[in-house]
Amino acid sequence: QTVVTQEPSLTVSPGGTVTLTCASSTGAVTSGYYPNWFQQKPGQAPTTLIYSTSNKHSWTPARFSGSLLGGKAALTLSGVQPEDEADYYCLLYHGGAWVFGGGTKLTVL
Amino acid sequence: QVQLQESGPGLVKPSQTLSLTCTVSGGSISSGSYFWSWIRQPAGKGLEWIGRIYSSGITNYNPSLKSRVTISVDTSKNQFSLNLSSVTAADTAVYYCAREYDSWGQGTLVTVSS
Repeated sequence: QTVVTQEPSLTVSPGGTVTLTCASSTGAVTSGYYPNWFQQKPGQAPTTLIYSTSNKHSWTPARFSGSLLGGKAALTLSGVQPEDEADYYCLLYHGGAWVFGGGTKLTVL
Repeated sequence: QVQLQESGPGLVKPSQTLSLTCTVSGGSISSGSYFWSWIRQPAGKGLEWIGRIYSSGITNYNPSLKSRVTISVDTSKNQFSLNLSSVTAADTAVYYCAREYDSWGQGTLVTVSS
């Protein structure tokens, strides 16, 4: 059973920069895992921020960026805003099936 | 951007089959190269991918649920559906449908209880 691991929680100051990572138990994450990143606020459905490693949707704020970093998928928030406080999930493709990470609770403090 | 709406019973008895439908509006389920997915989230927990279907009927399922899951599509109604058999309390969750992965439904809570 494939496991995708994220930091359970992170704290960042307003205006700061933070990087969330997403690792796979199968090995280094590459573009072939088509990493997606989602933001979920309490009581709401997730919204997609990043697809296929680093591509943004039209609604994705410019301060969000996706990349591969040290064998993991990464989501970087630069110039964090209070409204970025949320849960963030990554999603990786593993040969016909998708696997979500456990999520990172981002606190802006 | 398409809109998706989940519908189905909010309460299912243990050992029975959970059935949900996702209605797509603002676009055809047959157009474009999209997979249509089901995802669930137990209260206070993370997201779990259940499976997906292409308009042609090709499916992929979560290996841990594969023996109990069936996803089907009805292109004439612009809908796709989820059947999850032999449910237990562990299947209680908010169930989301999504177009992989730019559009999501609002989610529907399904409780498994007698």
